[in-house]
Amino acid sequence: SQKIEQNSEALNIQEGKTATLTCNYTNYSPAYLQWYRQDPGRGPVFLLLIRENEKEKRKERLKVTFDTTLKQSLFHITASQPADSATYLCALGNRDDKIIFGKGTRLHILP
Amino acid sequence: NAGVTQTPKFRVLKTGQSMTLLCAQDMNHEYMYWYRQDPGMGLRLIHYSVGEGTTAKGEVPDGYNVSRLKKQNFLLGLESAAPSQTSVYFCASSYSGDSHSYEQYFGPGTRLTVT
Repeated sequence: SQKIEQNSEALNIQEGKTATLTCNYTNYSPAYLQWYRQDPGRGPVFLLLIRENEKEKRKERLKVTFDTTLKQSLFHITASQPADSATYLCALGNRDDKIIFGKGTRLHILP
Repeated sequence: NAGVTQTPKFRVLKTGQSMTLLCAQDMNHEYMYWYRQDPGMGLRLIHYSVGEGTTAKGEVPDGYNVSRLKKQNFLLGLESAAPSQTSVYFCASSYSGDSHSYEQYFGPGTRLTVT
């Protein structure tokens, strides 16, 4: 069955450093991959999308890479700030109107 | 724009009771979704709709029904609530077609407890 894996342990990063989150998947050939941010008690918020034919995407301090051979995406936050602390969700989709989500990784940026 | 709104925000039900969760969006989106989020399980798709009058099953549809009578509204019904349905329910909507980012816009969630 389709499976998405994200770091189950929380990630603690010192303020100012780069935070790197990993999303691995199996038994799936996604047309695109998305990253969402979720704060406690709130719904997820879309951050970035990267398509299967793209290697890298950037948006301000965010960078996403997508390796369809390794079946992996890396999500980087550079110059991290305490306000970046949240849970980050990886999601995969095809053109069939549905996406599947990973369980998320909690990120703590330490001041 | 209000975006995606959900009603109610919180609810406590007794086993066997029924209720309807309402989702509304004002972005003219074609697609709407209902998810549940449980600790350690992530977001799981219950039902979804690709347009007014259409619905389809997701990953965990048992015990739930949905209706999309109007484009802007998507209702999730629990006919006979069970403790296993205790969860946080999120509604989401999105545009259709490859020209968009497939971005899903989420509501604030409904926290449901079934005792």
